[in-house]
Amino acid sequence: DTGVSQNPRHKITKRGQNVTFRCDPISEHNRLYWYRQTLGQGPEFLTYFQNEAQLEKSRLLSDRFSAERPKGSFSTLEIQRTEQGDSAMYLCASSLDGTSRAFFGQGTRLTVV
Amino acid sequence: GESVGLHLPTLSVQEGDNSIINCAYSNSASDYFIWYKQESGKGPQFIIDIRSNMDKRQGQRVTVLLNKTVKHLSLQIAATQPGDSAVYFCAELQGAQKLVFGQGTRLTINP
Repeated sequence: DTGVSQNPRHKITKRGQNVTFRCDPISEHNRLYWYRQTLGQGPEFLTYFQNEAQLEKSRLLSDRFSAERPKGSFSTLEIQRTEQGDSAMYLCASSLDGTSRAFFGQGTRLTVV
Repeated sequence: GESVGLHLPTLSVQEGDNSIINCAYSNSASDYFIWYKQESGKGPQFIIDIRSNMDKRQGQRVTVLLNKTVKHLSLQIAATQPGDSAVYFCAELQGAQKLVFGQGTRLTINP
């Protein structure tokens, strides 16, 4: 499978706990994005990396959220002190420099109880 | 602010008929649009894209039409099949890399 891979697929956590998600983009893609999707809505942009540099962050990305892409390959999204409002599908996408065509992974569904 | 919207939240069609899903956008400076298909529990799947210098683009059983005058985008699916049942999103590229999505249209295929 050469698509975008996300782990875990599902995560249930108690309020106040920290969670970390991982995204492995398509291997030759140097651009990586994180989006969040709540039920019945379209995905909302969170942040974007070009190689290892985080170039844009949405106002949705509060200080409890941090994303990294240390070697310009896989990325992690960490949520600290989770709240019930963080429950959503977290989607990762990647694209190749010079094209805007982004391909999404299957997402990580987070449930905060 | 700028947004991308859809005319209908749901659409039901008979198997074998053609489907048309519509989308309106408000940012006249947008120059790139994508249609995604999302099945339950899965991530959005790329269907087709179009740049603003084009009016029409065709893929396999799908056609995207762009009317820049009225800022309207449509996705046509020919000979709709049960596997086409999903939520369809149009997305608009804002800035260098941010996609802004509409709320989606749920397409249901009746046998």
